[in-house]
Amino acid sequence: KAGVTQTPRYLIKTRGQQVTLSCSPISGHRSVSWYQQTPGQGLQFLFEYFSETQRNKGNFPGRFSGRQFSNSRSEMNVSTLELGDSALYLCASSLSGGSPSYEQYFGPGTRLTVT
Amino acid sequence: SQQGEEDPQALSIQEGENATMNCSYKTSINNLQWYRQNSGRGLVHLILIRSNEREKHSGRLRVTLDTSKKSSSLLITASRAADTASYFCATASYSGAGSYQLTFGKGTKLSVIP
Repeated sequence: KAGVTQTPRYLIKTRGQQVTLSCSPISGHRSVSWYQQTPGQGLQFLFEYFSETQRNKGNFPGRFSGRQFSNSRSEMNVSTLELGDSALYLCASSLSGGSPSYEQYFGPGTRLTVT
Repeated sequence: SQQGEEDPQALSIQEGENATMNCSYKTSINNLQWYRQNSGRGLVHLILIRSNEREKHSGRLRVTLDTSKKSSSLLITASRAADTASYFCATASYSGAGSYQLTFGKGTKLSVIP
């Protein structure tokens, strides 16, 4: 099976702009989670989608949003970018976040730089 | 917020030696997982240990879990240069709405010197 893919891999944006990142999960996986990774804060959970519904949300401002499509592909959007949004954004998929065997499969990430 | 906290933050060993990393957490968990990340890339799942298990092995990896102390350790035996990476523990806790959330620690950066 193909792994989790994320596009684009690298992105440079200017403060105040908005950005959309895309994630295609492993075929058959219905749960998609997003994480932000920075040197200072480490890996922080953004949100999780399952069957097109946001099931869980981390402690991030409303500028961070996401959605999931019927084919399980997911997008996340960050509006009004700030310098502090520069990070590696990781997407992970799993069969179902409702299982105790909650193994996640990560994509390579999108490196976002805000200038 | 971070639940798992790894110790040490960085570890440097010679090839062939064993590497031990520790993880402590704060709340009750369903399971604890360890992941590896090579330099700014995606994470790779290594091993999962359930809250009712005490020890688990996978190849050169050995994981222990002590729920009374809320701690876990990852042992990599006979390390290789290719083991150089950051290692993260992640705790899985029920977050409602039929969902389990993974909370990651800040990781241990392991360097294996050839």
